Amino acid sequence: AQSVSQHNHHVILSEAASLELGCNYSYGGTVNLFWYVQYPGQHLQLLLKYFSGDPLVKGIKGFEAEFIKSKFSFNLRKPSVQWSDTAEYFCAVNAQENTGKLIFGQGTTLQVKP
Amino acid sequence: GAGVSQTPSNKVTEKGKYVELRCDPISGHTALYWYRQSLGQGPEFLIYFQGTGAADDSGLPNDRFFAVRPEGSVSTLKIQRTERGDSAVYLCASSLGVSADYEQYFGPGTRLTVT
Repeated sequence: AQSVSQHNHHVILSEAASLELGCNYSYGGTVNLFWYVQYPGQHLQLLLKYFSGDPLVKGIKGFEAEFIKSKFSFNLRKPSVQWSDTAEYFCAVNAQENTGKLIFGQGTTLQVKP
Repeated sequence: GAGVSQTPSNKVTEKGKYVELRCDPISGHTALYWYRQSLGQGPEFLIYFQGTGAADDSGLPNDRFFAVRPEGSVSTLKIQRTERGDSAVYLCASSLGVSADYEQYFGPGTRLTVT
């Protein structure tokens, strides 16, 4: 069965620190990869996605993620976090054609101290 | 425009009762997904609809769970004989189409508590 693993459950950073959140998936075939974010009191929303092409994808608010096929990884990065990045971050995989069914990781709570 | 809405926002029920959770997708979105999010976990897929039909219900945990979308718009998730383990946030998402190319827009969720 497909699964997604996020290594860090809770990350605390100071403003301007760099961020990297790990995500690994288990599926040998073609996958589409996503990062979703949930800000306090708000809905889940899409941060960025990878389908094909350049393995380094850029999303909203300065976030980027790199797909490394050999490592089954899709880590999320941001060079300099802001207090407003405090949120919960979810990695997700879609591994079935013609369906948007998503398999999510357990999430990482990011707390940015001002 | 209006996003995905879910009602009620909170539902407290006693063990063994029946509950219905409603999802109003974005107008024109043909695909509708239900996920369940337990405390400290990521969303877990339950079922999705393409139009009126359930295209994949492989995530429904057992036959106490059922969902409908009779007119291809609003969907209702129904849970019979609720158990304490059913307590979770139930999320609905909709998208223009069923493939992963189409972004899923999530609603605020219904927090179900079974006492």
